[in-house]
Amino acid sequence: GAGVSQSPSNKVTEKGKDVELRCDPISGHTALYWYRQSLGQGLEFLIYFQGNSAPDKSGLPSDRFSAERTGGSVSTLTIQRTQQEDSAVYLCASSGTGGTVYGYTFGSGTRLTVV
Amino acid sequence: AQRVTQPEKLLSVFKGAPVELKCNYSYSGSPELFWYVQYSRQRLQLLLRHISRESIKGFTADLNKGETSFHLKKPFAQEEDSAMYYCALNGGSARQLTFGSGTQLTVLP
Repeated sequence: GAGVSQSPSNKVTEKGKDVELRCDPISGHTALYWYRQSLGQGLEFLIYFQGNSAPDKSGLPSDRFSAERTGGSVSTLTIQRTQQEDSAVYLCASSGTGGTVYGYTFGSGTRLTVV
Repeated sequence: AQRVTQPEKLLSVFKGAPVELKCNYSYSGSPELFWYVQYSRQRLQLLLRHISRESIKGFTADLNKGETSFHLKKPFAQEEDSAMYYCALNGGSARQLTFGSGTQLTVLP
């Protein structure tokens, strides 16, 4: 597509429920990144995919968080048993073969609210 | 480890005044540095990167390795520059960018 697409744009869920966030990167972009943006906290790195593999999962805050990418394209970030501290904007970005040299293209994010 | 520090959470200047958004980084090698901007209700977008030595929307940023800084500057701020600005770093083998906590710039009329 023309840009990075994320869905849903907003998600309100009850504490303890599971949620799935979707990211559709720019066509042909091999690298995909998930970040979390919290008020006053900047952007927190969660996970990075190169193709379908995730060589760096170091940023996932707990084992309730997982992510996968299939076909080298769409990625899903899953949060199980959501907690109120999971409330944030979850951003997805992708980059091409140049990697980070040329910077990322970000999606518009999913605003997650856990009540 | 790599770290990016943006010491000012909030910065206000008057229209036409010079503006400088501070960014300091911690990395022992040769970093790649970026500035990203997020206007109200818009997605985060790349403003400029140090390797390009470019000026975008009147903004420039010079990498100072001695001071480990990459401050963003504009000589005459405009109201449309009001936004959240993030400094970001990629160092060495790290595949992802490390972002600072951001500076909210408000340009007053």
